[in-house]
Amino acid sequence: DAGITQSPRHKVTETGTPVTLRCHQTENHRYMYWYRQDPGHGLRLIHYSYGVKDTDKGEVSDGYSVSRSKTEDFLLTLESATSSQTSVYFCAISQGTSGDEQYFGPGTRLTVT
Amino acid sequence: RKEVEQDPGPFNVPEGATVAFNCTYSNSASQSFFWYRQDCRKEPKLLMSVYSSGNEDGRFTAQLNRASQYISLLIRDSKLSDSATYLCVVRPLTGGGNKLTFGTGTQLKVEL
Repeated sequence: DAGITQSPRHKVTETGTPVTLRCHQTENHRYMYWYRQDPGHGLRLIHYSYGVKDTDKGEVSDGYSVSRSKTEDFLLTLESATSSQTSVYFCAISQGTSGDEQYFGPGTRLTVT
Repeated sequence: RKEVEQDPGPFNVPEGATVAFNCTYSNSASQSFFWYRQDCRKEPKLLMSVYSSGNEDGRFTAQLNRASQYISLLIRDSKLSDSATYLCVVRPLTGGGNKLTFGTGTQLKVEL
């Protein structure tokens, strides 16, 4: 158990509203990641963080922003939600100095109507 | 061409059977390789890392063929509880942040 929680676990929101998803870890890992998973696609990286206030874009970052003001929390914000952002969102962390292996949180199922 | 390609399946096998999945990757500089399993509506969970010399964990054996750029997973004596989607995952050598590239998964159904 990598000690990762995500909130909320389920959310329905309307197009155009801002949404923030939270990832919380209890084991002080340096690297944190946000992915989305959609049918027909593998997990796709949205943004990642390599330390407090240090973040970078992944392959599908448009329409998303992130913040990491504390080691344990990594927030993903959909600035103005669109129906194409309906997805399952997973947070992950890397353990160890090389950070190769990633461990995932339980996911947030987001529906944008 | 996708960076990581897998046969989506489903593979339907009887309990006790041996089943093998292959995965190909396009980036020859890829450095690390993994198999994850994902149950329906759950998060992916690390099954095993794949080492150059091949490695085994109980009923599971992983192999890497760098020359042909493919990875395999062999499951012996399949159990009903092995039913899941198996994700092939690759990390390229270059690029920061230990970013991983995921295949879309191969679905396994083990039946009585």
